[in-house]
Amino acid sequence: DAGITQSPRYKITETGRQVTLMCHQTWSHSYMFWYRQDLGHGLRLIYYSAAADITDKGEVPDGYVVSRSKTENFPLTLESATRSQTSVYFCASRWTGGEQFFGPGTRLTVL
Amino acid sequence: DQQVKQNSPSLSVQEGRISILNCDYTNSMFDYFLWYKKYPAEGPTFLISISSIKDKNEDGRFTVFLNKSAKHLSLHIVPSQPGDSAVYFCAAVHGAQKLVFGQGTRLTINP
Repeated sequence: DAGITQSPRYKITETGRQVTLMCHQTWSHSYMFWYRQDLGHGLRLIYYSAAADITDKGEVPDGYVVSRSKTENFPLTLESATRSQTSVYFCASRWTGGEQFFGPGTRLTVL
Repeated sequence: DQQVKQNSPSLSVQEGRISILNCDYTNSMFDYFLWYKKYPAEGPTFLISISSIKDKNEDGRFTVFLNKSAKHLSLHIVPSQPGDSAVYFCAAVHGAQKLVFGQGTRLTINP
């Protein structure tokens, strides 16, 4: 199906473990984004990518790593998960301008 | 530095009445503004947008007003319906750069 998908939808992990959240879009959008949503903070940008092999930090990048070897995929890795990274993570994509389209989100719990 | 602010975390409105959600911004370079709607366990979805060259944009029950001198935008929903109950995020962008989101306002429509 066309659109933007995220996997897994729910994930429970332990402190110190590595976790990778996947994001896939079928529109060939050039831009892709990772956000986290926390109560009182709204949507905060973690990392974004303007094209394959081009990534840049957002507002809260510490503790996260991204890569973009293919236009359609933008995985987000927590190299050593911490409790403060418990959150809902949203991936999004868009063309150069205009509206962004969001995935359904991944709820991550770090114990 | 919160460039986009939604100062009301929540708003409760009676069904059939007008809902007014407010958003303030500080960056005068922003030239495009968007509103997103978010239901629980789903990603945000685009609702309506406005360019800085306009002061009003209307789409059915939804109207966005932009006051550039006051750096303020508002979303009017009339008449409000139970299905409008959701979290609403305003966002702003300059050119092809990153969207900056507000903290969100939870709108509850009461029967």
